[in-house]
Amino acid sequence: QKEVEQDPGPLSVPEGAIVSLNCTYSNSAFQYFMWYRQYSRKGPELLMYTYSSGNKEDGRFTAQVDKSSKYISLFIRDSQPSDSATYLCAISRAQGGSEKLVFGKGTKLTVNP
Amino acid sequence: NAGVTQTPKFRILKIGQSMTLQCTQDMNHNYMYWYRQDPGMGLKLIYYSVGAGITDKGEVPNGYNVSRSTTEDFPLRLELAAPSQTSVYFCASRDTSGGRADTQYFGPGTRLTVL
Repeated sequence: QKEVEQDPGPLSVPEGAIVSLNCTYSNSAFQYFMWYRQYSRKGPELLMYTYSSGNKEDGRFTAQVDKSSKYISLFIRDSQPSDSATYLCAISRAQGGSEKLVFGKGTKLTVNP
Repeated sequence: NAGVTQTPKFRILKIGQSMTLQCTQDMNHNYMYWYRQDPGMGLKLIYYSVGAGITDKGEVPNGYNVSRSTTEDFPLRLELAAPSQTSVYFCASRDTSGGRADTQYFGPGTRLTVL
């Protein structure tokens, strides 16, 4: 079983739609949960960062963590063409005293005007 | 701050050639990482470093080498390039201060093709 599973999409929605992006993970010891956004031909950049179960909101973005189900989600309200990018979930684990991230494969999102 | 910079942006290598991908950060981060990203496959960790003089293998280290002589620089060496090393390579550094201990800052990437 892979440590992190993410549906690669692609996902295409009309402008203004609500977008739901999801990942599942296998190890209950994972502590921190992140969403990165990667525009075409660019490096990933941190979008959302959560630690505990529940919701965290930042503008049009909401990150949700359900540790009991090992499930994390990113919701985008009123999606815009500028949200078109690949979204990667990332989860941290601690190994040997240093922390590394495990990334999902990424979901490519296109928001059509 | 320039953040994380990588050179070159693009490179084409012939099978068996060698090259060094350069990575520099000006944020005084101790932790640095090298990833490769293949289409639809996410980011795979190649090597990482927790400080000058300290490096360790990641998930896919075969065919690569690293060194870390300064806090700022973390070059990645490819010896005897193979077509399987065709990929986009990202360098990242990590801010270990404050509460967001997992924030990684990525460079713009190096697109490498091995023919």
